[in-house]
Amino acid sequence: AQSVTQPDIHITVSEGASLELRCNYSYGATPYLFWYVQSPGQGLQLLLKYFSGDTLVQGIKGFEAEFKRSQSSFNLRKPSVHWSDAAEYFCAVEDMRFGAGTRLTVKP
Amino acid sequence: DTGVSQDPRHKITKRGQNVTFRCDPISEHNRLYWYRQTLGQGPEFLTYFQNEAQLEKSRLLSDRFSAERPKGSFSTLEIQRTEQGDSAMYLCASSLPQGGGKNIQYFGAGTRLSVL
Repeated sequence: AQSVTQPDIHITVSEGASLELRCNYSYGATPYLFWYVQSPGQGLQLLLKYFSGDTLVQGIKGFEAEFKRSQSSFNLRKPSVHWSDAAEYFCAVEDMRFGAGTRLTVKP
Repeated sequence: DTGVSQDPRHKITKRGQNVTFRCDPISEHNRLYWYRQTLGQGPEFLTYFQNEAQLEKSRLLSDRFSAERPKGSFSTLEIQRTEQGDSAMYLCASSLPQGGGKNIQYFGAGTRLSVL
């Protein structure tokens, strides 16, 4: 069955530390892939997208993600986390299917 | 471009009442989507429109739910005879698909429904 999995429900990192949020997908072919961020009580904001081409994509707010076909993954990274990055992060695929989300807490 | 707007932001209702939510998409976008999101979960697709045509409905959309987009602009989502299980955030998104199926959705802030 087609699915999107975010294995980590909750991650805590210290401010200034690096971050990696995992996303795995199960599809027949390579889908278009997205990462969204949601602050409490708010809608979703697009961070970045992968359609084709370069497997390392840059997004807003200093985020990047790497598409790895061999691992069916599209992990989100940031080299240095800021307190304002605390939010819920969702991976999604083109047919409007979202992962369950990873909640990021940032320690001072 | 004022973004996707949803009204109201919060709705509290009693079980059995009907509620209606409104979504105004980004003006040039021809697709409009509705999602439901419960606590700790990702958005779940409910339905979408291409212009005024409702092209797909999830089986999550029971017969108590109905959505319209009469003129291909704003949309309404109505829930009849609300149940406590309908309590959730209802998100609207819009998009203007590019060639090759590339489609980026832009989300509104959502309507939070609480059914007492």
